[in-house]
Amino acid sequence: DSGVTQTPKHLITATGQRVTLRCSPRSGDLSVYWYQQSLDQGLQFLIQYYNGEERAKGNILERFSAQQFPDLHSELNLSSLELGDSALYFCASSVQGTSGGIDTQYFGPGTRLTVL
Amino acid sequence: AQSVAQPEDQVNVAEGNPLTVKCTYSVSGNPYLFWYVQYPNRGLQFLLKYITGDNLVKGSYGFEAEFNKSQTSFHLKKPSALVSDSALYFCAVRDRGNNNDMRFGAGTRLTVKP
Repeated sequence: DSGVTQTPKHLITATGQRVTLRCSPRSGDLSVYWYQQSLDQGLQFLIQYYNGEERAKGNILERFSAQQFPDLHSELNLSSLELGDSALYFCASSVQGTSGGIDTQYFGPGTRLTVL
Repeated sequence: AQSVAQPEDQVNVAEGNPLTVKCTYSVSGNPYLFWYVQYPNRGLQFLLKYITGDNLVKGSYGFEAEFNKSQTSFHLKKPSALVSDSALYFCAVRDRGNNNDMRFGAGTRLTVKP
């Protein structure tokens, strides 16, 4: 158990809908990262937050957004969902995530999103 | 931008035999390198990382990896494979100059047969 929790474990929804995925980092970790894992694209970095502020952006679509709250939990919002958004969404956390970059990312169990 | 290649989709090994899962990387500067393992229906678990220093890095569950700068490789190894090692293995690289962007390889499925 990495100490990173994600809810829900599974989510089934329809095209055009909006969903929110939630992540709680390990105790003491300030950085949260979101990843998408799909069969055709592999594991892709979406976005990183550090202590409430956006730190880095990867291949995140404009329909997707995220935030990190004062208690350091994070939410990933996916809107206008398409069939191709079906994937496993992972959250990871690390102690800092600031320059230096040597801290390890610890991954949560993931949320499996199915868009019908 | 940095990238990682895992040239083998699948590696099959007999239990008790040594295993190697290959990884090569490309970065503009010096790399931070990581190995993660993913068991079915689970998140990624950290195995080991190379930051600097000794080229041979030892990690969890008896795994080790060797950083080879001239060959830009970071192969994962274990002297004696267990059936329970069967899983999906990911190599990842982070450029020291752009530490917030970690790139993962496509993954290698390791199957250890009894």
